[in-house]
Amino acid sequence: NAGVTQTPKFRVLKTGQSMTLLCAQDMNHEYMYWYRQDPGMGLRLIHYSVGEGTTAKGEVPDGYNVSRLKKQNFLLGLESAAPSQTSVYFCASSYQRYNEQFFGPGTRLTVL
Amino acid sequence: AQSVTQLDSHVSVSEGTPVLLRCNYSSSYSPSLFWYVQHPNKGLQLLLKYTSAATLVKGINGFEAEFKKSETSFHLTKPSAHMSDAAEYFCVVSDRAWGETDKLIFGTGTRLQVFP
Repeated sequence: NAGVTQTPKFRVLKTGQSMTLLCAQDMNHEYMYWYRQDPGMGLRLIHYSVGEGTTAKGEVPDGYNVSRLKKQNFLLGLESAAPSQTSVYFCASSYQRYNEQFFGPGTRLTVL
Repeated sequence: AQSVTQLDSHVSVSEGTPVLLRCNYSSSYSPSLFWYVQHPNKGLQLLLKYTSAATLVKGINGFEAEFKKSETSFHLTKPSAHMSDAAEYFCVVSDRAWGETDKLIFGTGTRLQVFP
């Protein structure tokens, strides 16, 4: 099992550009999550999904959109990147509500 | 509202000495508590979890944590530090009474340094 994978691993964008981050899991988990990690702030939840075709806002959703068209994939989109979105992005999944989450290796995004 | 506070942003120990990483939480109901570890440039890995069973929880790599409801604490310990333990550690709470948000609340992290 690959677990949770994320692509790309690194990306540099210019302000105003768009991009999509892909998260894939092969554990048949219902729940998937997108977090951002910034120095001194821990992880903050951007959006999450409780099943195929569903999405919901987390703590810091502004400037991001998500889609869960297939159970195993969870996409995070930035329509118009801003320097404030420079961060490390982590995807995670869990089997059930309140269970431990399994994390991907992260995507380091820099917006110039 | 639920929250979690990691009392030390940095902890330094010598190899072979005990490790103590402190975590206090605030929860309105019956929390699930987790410790995750993040090695440099890596994702987060679960060390251990408490979900209302035994209050002393054993995890991987010799770590354990004790849930103390009266003190609202969930401190992480290890009897003898190893160089490979150097990493960032996150205390996390999930509140079963949270309702529709279904999320984990992360502490800000404690960076553990281990000196030879």
